[in-house]
Amino acid sequence: GNSVTQMEGPVTLSEEAFLTINCTYTATGYPSLFWYVQYPGEGLQLLLKATKADDKGSNKGFEATYRKETTSFHLEKGSVQVSDSAVYFCALIFYGNNRLAFGKGNQVVVIP
Amino acid sequence: DVKVTQSSRYLVKRTGEKVFLECVQDMDHENMFWYRQDPGLGLRLIYFSYDVKMKEKGDIPEGYSVSREKKERFSLILESASTNQTSMYLCASSGQARPNTEAFFGQGTRLTVV
Repeated sequence: GNSVTQMEGPVTLSEEAFLTINCTYTATGYPSLFWYVQYPGEGLQLLLKATKADDKGSNKGFEATYRKETTSFHLEKGSVQVSDSAVYFCALIFYGNNRLAFGKGNQVVVIP
Repeated sequence: DVKVTQSSRYLVKRTGEKVFLECVQDMDHENMFWYRQDPGLGLRLIYFSYDVKMKEKGDIPEGYSVSREKKERFSLILESASTNQTSMYLCASSGQARPNTEAFFGQGTRLTVV
């Protein structure tokens, strides 16, 4: 079936450091890909998305590129802030299929 | 502003009680979802609905049921609450799946079963 795999474990880094969170997927065909963010005490909100191969989604300084050849959608930010501390989820959905599949999420803690 | 509203932020219930979690969306979305979120397990789909009175089981439906009598409202029912159902419950909605379809989430209900 369709699934999303995120790198294990929380991520702790200093302010202004470079952030990468890995996401790979298993799917038959070409899904749309998403990154969601969950700030403390809140529900999930969409951070960025990409709907076809080589698309780059971007928002709030975050970027992710849809790589068909490696079935990946890694999230990056060049200089993180304390306010980026949150849980980040990678997700996919297929056109015509209503079901959204999520990775397990990564807790990101940014230290001043 | 688009909105998905869950009826309670926090709930405490006793083992064996019947529990109702309510979710309302104002975007005229066809699809609605219930997830539970647990540390280390991420989001797991309990049930979803793609139309009024229609429902499909997700990955962990045991111990839960759902009701969708109106398009904007999707209820999750714990028939007889147990301590292993203590969790954060998230409701979401989305339009018909298209390449740009995204899901919108409520703020979550933290349920404690004692």
